[in-house]
Formats: sequence, C-alpha cells, structure tokens
Amino acid sequence: DAGVTQSPTHLIKTRGQHVTLRCSPISGHKSVSWYQQVLGQGPQFIFQYYEKEERGRGNFPDRFSARQFPNYSSELNVNALLLGDSALYLCASSLTSGILETQYFGPGTRLLVL
Amino acid sequence: AQKVTQAQTEISVVEKEDVTLDCVYETRDTTYYLFWYKQPPSGELVFLIRRNSFDEQNEISGRYSWNFQKSTSSFNFTITASQVVDSAVYFCALSPNQGGKLIFGQGTELSVKP
Repeated sequence: DAGVTQSPTHLIKTRGQHVTLRCSPISGHKSVSWYQQVLGQGPQFIFQYYEKEERGRGNFPDRFSARQFPNYSSELNVNALLLGDSALYLCASSLTSGILETQYFGPGTRLLVL
Repeated sequence: AQKVTQAQTEISVVEKEDVTLDCVYETRDTTYYLFWYKQPPSGELVFLIRRNSFDEQNEISGRYSWNFQKSTSSFNFTITASQVVDSAVYFCALSPNQGGKLIFGQGTELSVKP
C-alpha cells in the first residue's frame, strides 16, 4: 500500500508570494495533520483535519490555512510568504483524529523563501 | 505546560556500541501517548513505537528497546549493537489528551561510525 504522498518535493518562492502544498493520506485514513519543521528543530503542529473539518490548530498566523477534500486529501496554503517560512512541511495521516491514533508521515515538502 | 525535552543534541558512537537516547516529558494529563520517530536524511519521519500512559511495561523489538518510567516522566530509547544504518535524527513526541496533535522534542542526532 502506498504511504502518505506529498507534492511538490521542493519549492522555491520569493517573499510575499503564496504557496500551496498538497498531501494524500494513506488509503483508509480520514485525518490529515500538517507540521512545520525548521532546520535543526522538531516538527511544530500547524493543523489537523478530520472528515473535512478542522480539529486542531497550532500557534501559527492567519497566513496559514488548510482544507481537506472529500477524498481526504489536503492542501496547506501559506500567503504573504516570509523568509522565516522556509522549512520542511510534513503531512501526516491517521485513521481518525483522536490521541489513540498513530500518525504516519510523508516525505515532506522543502520550501525555500528567498 | 506540555513539553518534550531531548537534552542530547548529538551523539556519536562506533558500530556495535549500545546507545541510549533520553526523553523527558511534561504534561498534566493523566491520559496521553508517547511516541518515538526516526528521521533519516531523506526527511520522512518513520514511526517506531507508541506507548500509552497506563502501560509502563518496557518493550523490546529486535535491537530496539524502550523504558517508560512515569515516576520520572521519562521515555528512553536504547539501541543495542548499533549499526551505521541507525544514523538518523530521533524524535520523541507527546500526544496529550487534546485531540491528535503531536508535541515533539528537539531531536537527537545519532551518528554511528563504522
């Protein structure tokens, strides 16, 4: 079975631009979570979606938004990019959104903002 | 406050040595889960183990073992007879009783030299 897939793998943008990152969960998983990992640090939670509804939001500005589609895939959008948004963006999927669930991660999208 | 601390930033060992990675967590929840993930240079986080707050039994899986001690809020990870392929960044994570978000430590970079 295919794991979590993310696209694109790498992306270069300039300050002020907008970016959309995509994630497809493991087949049968209905929850998707997004994390930001700045170089040298652990991943930081951004959002969690379950059945197309937002179930959790981390401490990120409103420039960050996300949505989940009927097929459970998800998009993360970041507006007005800043240099500090340069990071590895990880998507994770799980069966449901509860604490009992193990999250399985994709390979990530490396975003560089110049 | 919910927090995970991995005090060891980098560890370097020679192949076949045993190595222990420390993890200390903080939470006021009585129900929570703890995880270990491995992040090779490719970037994808690989799930290793999940342990709930009511199960303090130690676990062994091949060369890997985990020691969970609630009294000291620690969840340490030991690799026996380390191999070069074990070289990676290892993250300890806490899933508090607040939905499905994961709180990660800073990670420990393990380098196993031949």
